Amino acid sequence: SQQGEEDPQALSIQEGENATMNCSYKTSINNLQWYRQNSGRGLVHLILIRSNEREKHSGRLRVTLDTSKKSSSLLITASRAADTASYFCATLSNDYKLSFGAGTTVTVRA
Amino acid sequence: GAGVSQSPSNKVTEKGKDVELRCDPISGHTALYWYRQSLGQGLEFLIYFQGNSAPDKSGLPSDRFSAERTGGSVSTLTIQRTQQEDSAVYLCASSLATGGTGELFFGEGSRLTVL
Repeated sequence: SQQGEEDPQALSIQEGENATMNCSYKTSINNLQWYRQNSGRGLVHLILIRSNEREKHSGRLRVTLDTSKKSSSLLITASRAADTASYFCATLSNDYKLSFGAGTTVTVRA
Repeated sequence: GAGVSQSPSNKVTEKGKDVELRCDPISGHTALYWYRQSLGQGLEFLIYFQGNSAPDKSGLPSDRFSAERTGGSVSTLTIQRTQQEDSAVYLCASSLATGGTGELFFGEGSRLTVL
């Protein structure tokens, strides 16, 4: 069963706008990771936030984590057409098993 | 190569045939995962190997599915008597597990089409 649930399922924005997607999970975690997938093939790791961290930045990406609400958000600022992809959150359990959510499909319109 | 390698990249088979999908993880990575992704869907966990521990097979959908990992490296996912609902992309990933962050490195997947 899926550990994480992303929201929204799909998002369409204009180039230059920010994109925000959310992830909720059910059980305690070691860390939470976000991945990107283009064209239904391999996933690429974007950013990781540990359970004792609240916010993390990497370039145009900003991730927050609220362990009390068991939720995370991924913000992509100043979006580009090349950001069009599916984005997945994944939670790492304390026994190092990584479970993925259903993903958010982001379309950036030029 | 330096990345996770999967083969074949595409496989078309007839219903009822057996298929084998191969994954070469990154050298030194002790953890190996298989996931399945149907068109437009999320990743469905299948099986997880961690070092010499017994694999976590809790995600295998039926006894037609099996996987092994020889010598702690290469893994083979076998689907017996394939059905049309087995059509999907099968993704393999590896990571430095214990003591690491659990960041996964994915292969490009094997797209299976069962006619």
